[in-house]
Amino acid sequence: SSELAQDPAVSVALGQTVRITCQGDSLRSYYASWYQQSPGQAPVLVIYDKNNRPSGIPDRFSGSSSGNTASLTITGAQAEDEADYYCNSRDSSGNHPVVFGGGTKLTVL
Amino acid sequence: QVQLVESGGGVIQPGRSLRLSCAASGFTFSGYAMHWVRQAPGKGLEWVAVISYDGHNKYYADSVRGRFIISRDNSKSTLYLQMNSLRTEDTAVYYCAKTRTGNYYDIDYWGQGTLVTVSS
Repeated sequence: SSELAQDPAVSVALGQTVRITCQGDSLRSYYASWYQQSPGQAPVLVIYDKNNRPSGIPDRFSGSSSGNTASLTITGAQAEDEADYYCNSRDSSGNHPVVFGGGTKLTVL
Repeated sequence: QVQLVESGGGVIQPGRSLRLSCAASGFTFSGYAMHWVRQAPGKGLEWVAVISYDGHNKYYADSVRGRFIISRDNSKSTLYLQMNSLRTEDTAVYYCAKTRTGNYYDIDYWGQGTLVTVSS
């Protein structure tokens, strides 16, 4: 089981706003990053250091964090945003340097 | 631009060994820690191993410790994963990934992956 918990599936109507969350003790001390993975593709970084976007990532993607929860928000979801989304951060136990959330399947209706 | 190209995957019998490679370009390879992350069919991402920029520090997931060895050749800008005593549960797409900063968990770029199928 993952030490970062994500909802398995979330849906959003086209053009609406959706929030995907990631919970874990390590998030009280470390930032989460967020990755988008479309079917058959490698993951792509969309948010790092809580709320920074790499070049080329649309500004409808944003991140936030409070307590033990990090969130990825897509404002005005597009059909191409339908994908799996993973958070990652440091392992809270200190035994491993990295842990990934279980992933959230986003469906755009 | 950053490119990570994995190779070496294939079909292998349980108990055998396989070595994966990841050729890096577009950045100063010797300046960054590198990871292997895998994804079993229909499953989520599972971190496998990380190696420091200079190769001196290595960390492994519990599921592979003692069987897999991560290494790098900075003169060739290449990352390796030696996989021994393979099990059916090691079947997955294996991605190499680059760190963005000095924090191991801070990953920015991923390769396209190479599929390893462990089956008799």
